[in-house]
Amino acid sequence: GDSVTQMEGPVTLSEEAFLTINCTYTATGYPSLFWYVQYPGEGLQLLLKATKADDKGSNKGFEATYRKETTSFHLEKGSVQVSDSAVYFCALSEGLSGGSYIPTFGRGTSLIVHP
Amino acid sequence: EAGVTQFPSHSVIEKGQTVTLRCDPISGHDNLYWYRRVMGKEIKFLLHFVKESKQDESGMPNNRFLAERTGGTYSTLKVQPAELEDSGVYFCASSQGRWAGETQYFGPGTRLLVL
Repeated sequence: GDSVTQMEGPVTLSEEAFLTINCTYTATGYPSLFWYVQYPGEGLQLLLKATKADDKGSNKGFEATYRKETTSFHLEKGSVQVSDSAVYFCALSEGLSGGSYIPTFGRGTSLIVHP
Repeated sequence: EAGVTQFPSHSVIEKGQTVTLRCDPISGHDNLYWYRRVMGKEIKFLLHFVKESKQDESGMPNNRFLAERTGGTYSTLKVQPAELEDSGVYFCASSQGRWAGETQYFGPGTRLLVL
């Protein structure tokens, strides 16, 4: 079945440091890939997505590129801020019979950014 | 436009009691999903409604869980009787469509603790 593997957290960085959160996946077909973010006390929000190979999703300074050859979708940001402290979830989805999809999530990676 | 709302935000109950969680999706979203995250683990799918019909309930753990969406608007998830392993955060999400690249909009979650 489908699965998503994220790097273990927490990831602790100083403000303005470079961020990488690794995400690899296993899928039976050709999935869409997502990064969701959950800020403290809030629900998950879509951060970015990519629906085909070599697409790059980007938002709020974060980027991730859909790498089919390495089945990866690593999240990067050049300079993190304290306000980026949150839990980040990598997810995939692919069409199932009947046309519905149910996303598969990773375990989440907690990011803590210190001033 | 209001986002997905969930009630209550927190619930602490004793084993054997009943708890009912409520989700109000974004107006006009036919698709409503329930998920659960046990501490530190993946976000797991529970079920999917299209309007008032259950499209997929393959993720429901057992018959102690009952979900309804009367009238195709808000949804409730009842746990009766609650067990210790039911503790976790229950998320609701909604979407307009249901294709692989569709964005799901999540609520803030209900944190359930069963003692």
